[in-house]
Amino acid sequence: SQKIEQNSEALNIQEGKTATLTCNYTNYSPAYLQWYRQDPGRGPVFLLLIRENEKEKRKERLKVTFDTTLKQSLFHITASQPADSATYLCALEGGSGTYKYIFGTGTRLKVLA
Amino acid sequence: EAQVTQNPRYLITVTGKKLTVTCSQNMNHEYMSWYRQDPGLGLRQIYYSMNVEVTDKGDVPEGYKVSRKEKRNFPLILESPSPNQTSLYFCASSFNADTQYFGPGTRLTVL
Repeated sequence: SQKIEQNSEALNIQEGKTATLTCNYTNYSPAYLQWYRQDPGRGPVFLLLIRENEKEKRKERLKVTFDTTLKQSLFHITASQPADSATYLCALEGGSGTYKYIFGTGTRLKVLA
Repeated sequence: EAQVTQNPRYLITVTGKKLTVTCSQNMNHEYMSWYRQDPGLGLRQIYYSMNVEVTDKGDVPEGYKVSRKEKRNFPLILESPSPNQTSLYFCASSFNADTQYFGPGTRLTVL
């Protein structure tokens, strides 16, 4: 079955630096992959989607890459700010023609002022 | 305002007492889904619906029921709740199955 892994350890970085979060998956080749932000006690908020034929996607200070050979997606936040502190979730679609999704457990990011 | 709403937001109940968590969206979305979130296990999909009267199982459907009689509503039913269903539940909806909008969550405790 599909498996998706994110670094479960918290990531602490200094304000202004670039944060890089990793999402690895196995046993599957998803048509697309998503990244979400989740704040404590709140629902996830969609950030970016990247398709299998796209190498890179950008949105403001966010950048996502998708390497289908390595089965890995990297999520970058440039010029990070304390307000970026949250848990970031990776999700992959679980099957063509379905609304099935597999989520990673998330990586908690803390940006230090 | 475009949103997904869930009720109740918090619920404490006892084993075996049937309950329903409601989910409603005002965005005319075709797709709706229920997830549960547990520490260390992340978000796991319970059921999803691709249209009215069309539902299918996610990864953890045991102990849950759903129905989709109207486009805007997708209630989650626990016929006989057990303590292992204590969790944080999220409803989500989507127009085209790729961008999901999540509700605020329902924290359920089963004693």
